[in-house]
Amino acid sequence: DGGITQSPKYLFRKEGQNVTLSCEQNLNHDAMYWYRQDPGQGLRLIYYSQIVNDFQKGDIAEGYSVSREKKESFPLTVTSAQKNPTAFYLCASTLKGGGNTEAFFGQGTRLTVV
Amino acid sequence: DQQVKQNSPSLSVQEGRISILNCDYTNSMFDYFLWYKKYPAEGPTFLISISSIKDKNEDGRFTVFLNKSAKHLSLHIVPSQPGDSAVYFCAATSKYTGTASKLTFGTGTRLQVTL
Repeated sequence: DGGITQSPKYLFRKEGQNVTLSCEQNLNHDAMYWYRQDPGQGLRLIYYSQIVNDFQKGDIAEGYSVSREKKESFPLTVTSAQKNPTAFYLCASTLKGGGNTEAFFGQGTRLTVV
Repeated sequence: DQQVKQNSPSLSVQEGRISILNCDYTNSMFDYFLWYKKYPAEGPTFLISISSIKDKNEDGRFTVFLNKSAKHLSLHIVPSQPGDSAVYFCAATSKYTGTASKLTFGTGTRLQVTL
């Protein structure tokens, strides 16, 4: 079955630590995205990548970093510079196109700072 | 600056009745709109979409209406079922963002369908 897999489902981080969230897709989609959801808020775009070895900052990129070494994978690192990292993180992908394509989402990773 | 707004954080509807979820947008460049459904601790799933060249799109119990002049769209669910209870997000995008389908999401409306 094609889809997007995020791991882990739950992640705990100590203050000052970097953590990396995994996102893998086997849909052969060109574009991948990371969103963050906070209670009572919509999904906010952190980073996105249209092709391998290229990515752009979204609306709230500060304190995050990404890489896109393979088409299938788009890991997100939450660095110690991110002041409020506790949130629900969602990875998504779309076919390359003119923008009129639906995004497929993973199941999400809930990150908690302890 | 919230470009996509869902002003009703929650909505309660009886089973069998119509659910109407509303969404407003401010960016005139948006030309494609989508609705996503989300259960707790899961990723959103695509529900239905509409292009700005249309004013209505229907898929089974779900219909989306677009009023471009008012920059308003709505999702109608008829009849509502208990399994429809979820958070619904409105999203918008523009061909002018380039090849990536950058979606701008609203804050969501929690729908509860009661028996």
